[in-house]
Amino acid sequence: KAGVTQTPRYLIKTRGQQVTLSCSPISGHRSVSWYQQTPGQGLQFLFEYFSETQRNKGNFPGRFSGRQFSNSRSEMNVSTLELGDSALYLCASSPWASGGVAYEQYFGPGTRLTVT
Amino acid sequence: AQTVTQSQPEMSVQEAETVTLSCTYDTSESDYYLFWYKQPPSRQMILVIRQEAYKQQNATENRFSVNFQKAAKSFSLKISDSQLGDAAMYFCAYITGGGADGLTFGKGTHLIIQP
Repeated sequence: KAGVTQTPRYLIKTRGQQVTLSCSPISGHRSVSWYQQTPGQGLQFLFEYFSETQRNKGNFPGRFSGRQFSNSRSEMNVSTLELGDSALYLCASSPWASGGVAYEQYFGPGTRLTVT
Repeated sequence: AQTVTQSQPEMSVQEAETVTLSCTYDTSESDYYLFWYKQPPSRQMILVIRQEAYKQQNATENRFSVNFQKAAKSFSLKISDSQLGDAAMYFCAYITGGGADGLTFGKGTHLIIQP
């Protein structure tokens, strides 16, 4: 099976702009989660989508949003970009697990976002 | 707050030797799952090994094994016969049964393999 894919791989934006990142999960995986990785804060959970619904959400401002489509592909949007949003954004997909928990997650290569 | 602590920012081991990376976690949940992920310079996060908290038997995957001490909330990773390709950042993580906070990660341990 093909792995998790993320596009674009690299992105440079200006403060105040908005950005959309895309993630295609492993075929058959219905859960998609997003994480932000920075040198200072490490890896932090943004949100998780399952069957087109946001199921869980981390502690990030409302400028960070996402959605999931019927084919399980997911997008993440960040509006009014700030310098501190510069990070590696990682998407992870998970198969349906017993009890419905996305406990085993497989990561994509990430999108490196630089905000200037 | 739920946390994961990796007390060794960096470790170095000779090729073919064995190394153990430590991890402690803190959660009040009884239902959770533990993981070790590897992140090489390519930045691709790779799942190394997983452990269900309800299982007493320690997980093993080829050269990788864990020492899971539930009462102590300790979850160390042992890498046997270290290879140059094992060089990477290693992250310990867990997720609760409800998945409410996604994966909670430690700060990572940078593993260096000396040839």
